[in-house]
Amino acid sequence: EAGVAQSPRYKIIEKRQSVAFWCNPISGHATLYWYQQILGQGPKLLIQFQNNGVVDDSQLPKDRFSAERLKGVDSTLKIQPAKLEDSAVYLCASSPLGPTDTQYFGPGTRLTVL
Amino acid sequence: RKEVEQDPGPFNVPEGATVAFNCTYSNSASQSFFWYRQDCRKEPKLLMSVYSSGNEDGRFTAQLNRASQYISLLIRDSKLSDSATYLCVVNGGGSYIPTFGRGTSLIVHP
Repeated sequence: EAGVAQSPRYKIIEKRQSVAFWCNPISGHATLYWYQQILGQGPKLLIQFQNNGVVDDSQLPKDRFSAERLKGVDSTLKIQPAKLEDSAVYLCASSPLGPTDTQYFGPGTRLTVL
Repeated sequence: RKEVEQDPGPFNVPEGATVAFNCTYSNSASQSFFWYRQDCRKEPKLLMSVYSSGNEDGRFTAQLNRASQYISLLIRDSKLSDSATYLCVVNGGGSYIPTFGRGTSLIVHP
């Protein structure tokens, strides 16, 4: 079974630029999560989708971050414009049903904002 | 008080030692609990779920104490390969939003 795919794996941009990350969850998984993990901290949930609907986006900085999950499968996370403090690893995860299930994580995208 | 708290460590132990970590949570209505393992520069992977009755998987034992609102992870006979960060995750309390702790770093040395 293929795992969660993410791209790109690494991205370096300058502040005020835009960036987008892509995630393909495990086939058939209803729930998709985007997390931000800053060095030395645990993953922080940014947004959670159930199929193509948003379950929670309370910690998503909506003035600069946006996310969508088209047709309940792939998802993209965008940052526009980026700030220095956005430097982090962005992890995508999926679970078969919901958050009471095991989450399967992708390898992450390591973002550096200069 | 943070929703989910862990001692960041590091816990530095010799091979063969027994080590235990705790993770406290603030929402008494939380319903599901997990331990994940994260190796350096890698993604988190499920180590084990934590059930009300406790559960054991080889050298690893996880327990839940609802009265005191914490979960624990016990590792017996530590191996060098156990060196990693151990993250606890708590879900529920009405929102079913998963909340991670900051992780506890374990270093097992020869």
